[in-house]
Amino acid sequence: GENVEQHPSTLSVQEGDSAVIKCTYSDSASNYFPWYKQELGKRPQLIIDIRSNVGEKKDQRIAVTLNKTAKHFSLHITETQPEDSAVYFCAAREGGSSNTGKLIFGQGTTLQVKP
Amino acid sequence: NAGVTQTPKFRILKIGQSMTLQCAQDMNHNYMYWYRQDPGMGLKLIYYSVGAGITDKGEVPNGYNVSRSTTEDFPLRLELAAPSQTSVYFCATLSTDTQYFGPGTRLTVL
Repeated sequence: GENVEQHPSTLSVQEGDSAVIKCTYSDSASNYFPWYKQELGKRPQLIIDIRSNVGEKKDQRIAVTLNKTAKHFSLHITETQPEDSAVYFCAAREGGSSNTGKLIFGQGTTLQVKP
Repeated sequence: NAGVTQTPKFRILKIGQSMTLQCAQDMNHNYMYWYRQDPGMGLKLIYYSVGAGITDKGEVPNGYNVSRSTTEDFPLRLELAAPSQTSVYFCATLSTDTQYFGPGTRLTVL
């Protein structure tokens, strides 16, 4: 089955700097890769996603890149702000013929943005 | 439109007790999921359902059971609670590609 590895587990940056979180996946049939942000005590919320037919997607200060050949994808946050501090999870949707929508999640990255 | 709701918000169980975590949605979504999130960890899929009457196991189903008699409700049953089941439980539904999560139930087994 699918396996998703996420790095780093913790990341501390100064306000205004950029942050990059990387994930690798194992199933070459995976075709959808969402990123979730989870604030302390809250539910995970989708912040951006990318499908396998696209190499890059951007939404204001966040962007996601996908390298299908290498089976890795990354989240980029520019001009970080204290409110970006949270846990970020990558995920990959299992591929194959049965479309169950199942996601396999990475272990999470705790991002701390220092004012 | 309440989205995905979960009850209770918090619960403390004694070892060996049983309980049902409730999940309901009013968006008429066919696909629903149950995850557990242990402290400092990612989300692990327990069970999922692709429609009323259809359920299947995820990565960590042992110690749990589910049913899906209606589109709206997807309860998760814990039989003989164990300390290893101390976790935060999230229910989610699928709309197009996106999974939307409920607010979670924090369960402690002592």
